[in-house]
Amino acid sequence: SQTIHQWPATLVQPVGSPLSLECTVEGTSNPNLYWYRQAAGRGLQLLFYSVGIGQISSEVPQNLSASRPQDRQFILSSKKLLLSDSGFYLCAWSVLTAYGYTFGSGTRLTVV
Amino acid sequence: GDSVTQMEGPVTLSEEAFLTINCTYTATGYPSLFWYVQYPGEGLQLLLKATKADDKGSNKGFEATYRKETTSFHLEKGSVQVSDSAVYFCALTFTGTASKLTFGTGTRLQVTL
Repeated sequence: SQTIHQWPATLVQPVGSPLSLECTVEGTSNPNLYWYRQAAGRGLQLLFYSVGIGQISSEVPQNLSASRPQDRQFILSSKKLLLSDSGFYLCAWSVLTAYGYTFGSGTRLTVV
Repeated sequence: GDSVTQMEGPVTLSEEAFLTINCTYTATGYPSLFWYVQYPGEGLQLLLKATKADDKGSNKGFEATYRKETTSFHLEKGSVQVSDSAVYFCALTFTGTASKLTFGTGTRLQVTL
């Protein structure tokens, strides 16, 4: 069966520090991969999506970047975190979008 | 562009009450529709889906019917439990390998004894 792993679960980072969040998928090939952010008390914002290795589409210009070095690995990064980067980050995958996405358990990032 | 509108929350109900969370959408064509649930501190879980008009999705006592004529996908449950307290998201997407899921803003449900 397919599973998605996201880590770490929680992270507290100082302003100006770098960030790396990792997401891996098991049990499927060539998935579409997505990074969403959920700010406190708000809805879900799509940040990046990828339909294949090295293919990244950015939805919102910001302080973050994404990479897909392997078929089932999706990484969210920042060189210098801002306070406004705080939030709940969710990774998701899909193969046939008509059937929806499967989400990871999320990473709660607090920038202090 | 495509969009999803959900009723404002929070919705507060007593246990065993009837639940309705409204969801309407704007889209060109006929999307697939979803309800996701997010329990406190967790990621999103797919609750139910419908892929064409008049389809009824159902799961765990929840159901929603895809109404093309009113562009709606309202979530209902006949008798809520305290354990149903969560945030519920309505979403849409189109068939296609690069299609994106568009979410509503979410509706928080709080069920009390």
